[in-house]
Amino acid sequence: QQPVQSPQAVILREGEDAVINCSSSKALYSVHWYRQKHGEAPVFLMILLKGGEQKGHEKISASFNEKKQQSSLYLTASQLSYSGTYFCGTGAGNQFYFGTGTSLTVIP
Amino acid sequence: EAEVAQSPRYKITEKSQAVAFWCDPISGHATLYWYRQILGQGPELLVQFQDESVVDDSQLPKDRFSAERLKGVDSTLKIQPAELGDSAMYLCASSPRRDMNTEAFFGQGTRLTVV
Repeated sequence: QQPVQSPQAVILREGEDAVINCSSSKALYSVHWYRQKHGEAPVFLMILLKGGEQKGHEKISASFNEKKQQSSLYLTASQLSYSGTYFCGTGAGNQFYFGTGTSLTVIP
Repeated sequence: EAEVAQSPRYKITEKSQAVAFWCDPISGHATLYWYRQILGQGPELLVQFQDESVVDDSQLPKDRFSAERLKGVDSTLKIQPAELGDSAMYLCASSPRRDMNTEAFFGQGTRLTVV
C-alpha cells in the first residue's frame, strides 16, 4: 500500500533541476508532497487533486497522472534550502500513506 | 501562527514500562493523525481520528498501543508495555477537513527511545 518513490537519493549542485517520482499500486484521489529536514517535522509543499486542481508552492511544481497512478515533483533551479527528504503521500477515501522517501542534497 | 503541539519532545523509557504522548491539534481541525517514523523511513499511519471517532487504526498494534481523543480535541497515544522496537519518532498531525484533499499540519514530534 505504501507508494514507491524514485530515486532513493539524489545530489545536486545549486541551480540544477531534479525530478522525484511517486508511484502507487492503488487508485488515487489526491497526492501530497512534503519535505522533511533532519530532526524536524514534515512540511507541506503541495497537493494535487484528481481532476487536475493543484494547490501549493511557488517554485516547485508537480504532475499527477491518475491513469498511471503516478506523480512527479519538479524542483527547478535548486537552492541549498531544498535539501531534505521528500515524501509523497497518497490518499484514497479515508486512507493516507506516505511514500518511501527521496533524500535530496543540494551542494554549492 | 497556530501550531500542532506535542509533548514531551523526548522520552527515554525502559522496556516493559508504559509511556504516553500528548497532542493538541490546531483549533477547529476535525482530523487528527498519529504517525510513527523510524529513522530513514517514511511516516507510518498508526491511527486517524475524525472528531472523537477512530476512522482508521488498521496499523495500530492494538495489543500494546491505544489512542483516544475523548472530546474530539486533544489526543493521547499510549504504549504499554514498551518494546525496544518501539524506538522511533511519533508524529501528530491535524487537518481542517474530514477528507484527504487538504494539507496536514505536523507537530514537532516525540522522539522515543526504549532501553
